[in-house]
Amino acid sequence: SQQGEEDPQALSIQEGENATMNCSYKTSINNLQWYRQNSGRGLVHLILIRSNEREKHSGRLRVTLDTSKKSSSLLITASRAADTASYFCATDYGGSNYKLTFGKGTLLTVNP
Amino acid sequence: GAGVSQSPRYKVAKRGQDVALRCDPISGHVSLFWYQQALGQGPEFLTYFQNEAQLDKSGLPSDRFFAERPEGSVSTLKIQRTQQEDSAVYLCASSLVRGGSYGYTFGSGTRLTVV
Repeated sequence: SQQGEEDPQALSIQEGENATMNCSYKTSINNLQWYRQNSGRGLVHLILIRSNEREKHSGRLRVTLDTSKKSSSLLITASRAADTASYFCATDYGGSNYKLTFGKGTLLTVNP
Repeated sequence: GAGVSQSPRYKVAKRGQDVALRCDPISGHVSLFWYQQALGQGPEFLTYFQNEAQLDKSGLPSDRFFAERPEGSVSTLKIQRTQQEDSAVYLCASSLVRGGSYGYTFGSGTRLTVV
């Protein structure tokens, strides 16, 4: 079963605008990761935020984590047409459970 | 190699046929994972190897699914007597460290269509 749930399921914006995607999860985590998937391709790791961190930046990406609400958000600033892809959050429970549990993803379309 | 390589890229199998999907992880990566991704869904965990040891196979949907990594590098996912519900993209990922706590590198996947 899938642990995380992304919101919205689909998002369409104009180039230059910011895009915000949210992720909620159900149980305590070790870290939360965001991945991007272009159509027909594998997933690309974007950013990882640990359970003791609240915010992290990488280039045009900003991720926040609220463990009290069991939620995370991914902000992409100044979006480009090349950012069009599906975005997934994935939770890592840590310990001996090595697997990541993915949500269903948000399909982002950036219109030129 | 520079990335995780999967082959074949596409596979069409007749129902009941056996298939073998190959994954070449990044050289030196200790951890290797297989995931199954149905259309419009996120990837779902199948199995995890740490070097040659299969530490977790709890996600394999039935005993028709079998994975191996005999020398701790290349891995093969085998599906026997394929069924239509096996149609999906099968993704392989590897990680330098134990587990995936620093993120995975994914291959491009094998798209399996069972007809």
